[in-house]
Amino acid sequence: GAGVSQTPSNKVTEKGKYVELRCDPISGHTALYWYRQSLGQGPEFLIYFQGTGAADDSGLPNDRFFAVRPEGSVSTLKIQRTERGDSAVYLCASSLGGWTEAFFGQGTRLTVV
Amino acid sequence: AQSVTQLDSQVPVFEEAPVELRCNYSSSVSVYLFWYVQYPNQGLQLLLKYLSGSTLVESINGFEAEFNKSQTSFHLRKPSVHISDTAEYFCAVSADTGRRALTFGSGTRLQVQP
Repeated sequence: GAGVSQTPSNKVTEKGKYVELRCDPISGHTALYWYRQSLGQGPEFLIYFQGTGAADDSGLPNDRFFAVRPEGSVSTLKIQRTERGDSAVYLCASSLGGWTEAFFGQGTRLTVV
Repeated sequence: AQSVTQLDSQVPVFEEAPVELRCNYSSSVSVYLFWYVQYPNQGLQLLLKYLSGSTLVESINGFEAEFNKSQTSFHLRKPSVHISDTAEYFCAVSADTGRRALTFGSGTRLQVQP
């Protein structure tokens, strides 16, 4: 596709369950970012990949959150033992690296009940 | 660490009127500054950015922002708004340290009325 694709668009899960959120970046984009946006707030940085490696994971809130990008393209954000406070829109963005424009996907709305 | 304050959560304005969306930031190091826009049912899009050089930056659709280091501000302005400018606008900052993480403000909803 032409843009950043995130699946699923909506995910409802029960407290304590495990979830995976997928991001397909724009082809050729080496940099990939995950952000989390709670209602009424701006996006909050989670993690940044350059290629396959996590160049900066300082935004991950705790060890229940983990993200991978094994082949330098698709990325998966994994959340273990979900809590109601994890409910938010999870945004993915990709870019050519450096300070080139980052293109955002439409996000995955995660609801933990 | 950096922080961004967007004091106005909502700005109602009539079509063809001028508008200013305020953004102030806090940082102990040099920064890069950004404005993103989110139209209804769409993803975030970069509107304009300041990395270096001229402190006045412009977008292709008539918005401009000026980096004011002494006032730690990066206000967004447009001399005449259109209905289609109705959207949520986010100011963001990143430290000039090699990190690529953006710190966003809480957003300003611009509501253009006919």
